[in-house]
Amino acid sequence: QQPVQSPQAVILREGEDAVINCSSSKALYSVHWYRQKHGEAPVFLMILLKGGEQKGHEKISASFNEKKQQSSLYLTASQLSYSGTYFCGTDNSGAGSYQLTFGKGTKLSVIP
Amino acid sequence: KAGVTQTPRYLIKTRGQQVTLSCSPISGHRSVSWYQQTPGQGLQFLFEYFSETQRNKGNFPGRFSGRQFSNSRSEMNVSTLELGDSALYLCASSFGGVDEQYFGPGTRLTVT
Repeated sequence: QQPVQSPQAVILREGEDAVINCSSSKALYSVHWYRQKHGEAPVFLMILLKGGEQKGHEKISASFNEKKQQSSLYLTASQLSYSGTYFCGTDNSGAGSYQLTFGKGTKLSVIP
Repeated sequence: KAGVTQTPRYLIKTRGQQVTLSCSPISGHRSVSWYQQTPGQGLQFLFEYFSETQRNKGNFPGRFSGRQFSNSRSEMNVSTLELGDSALYLCASSFGGVDEQYFGPGTRLTVT
């Protein structure tokens, strides 16, 4: 079952902050965040693993609440380059291999 | 290093035909995953191959199949095309564990 992302869309002015949420109805083993700009391929941002390990870019921060089966991506001091659609992908199998279920995405627009 | 490449980039086929798409992963990556992306359903996982073996499979009909060669290059095949198969098909490669995936530019398939 697809994770639910919120909000579906958000408009920010440069310098403002945003939080994107990802919620799953099943137990989560890892959460993967990607950003896709229009007409381009998705680009990796971060992986959050059960137990607290994180892999990703230093300038991106995120949280993973295993009990609530939720993850949040924090975008601070937004820049124009942050614009795009953000997807969370969830691993509900814990098999240690790839079978991600992606949410429908959150469209972020940063304006001057 | 060279990124993930996909061929062809664009394809127009007629209902009932079959199609083969190709993906060359980043050198050293042994895992290749395939995704279908549509405006309505978003990014949906098709299957993942690792060392020539299908490790995971998404919820798609048997008309969708794939394979991986010893050099990690992968192909996916769709037989008896339907209008609903029109989509952007993305492949992504990784080393094989729970790590970041690198996406290719995709193949835009249009079925008429």
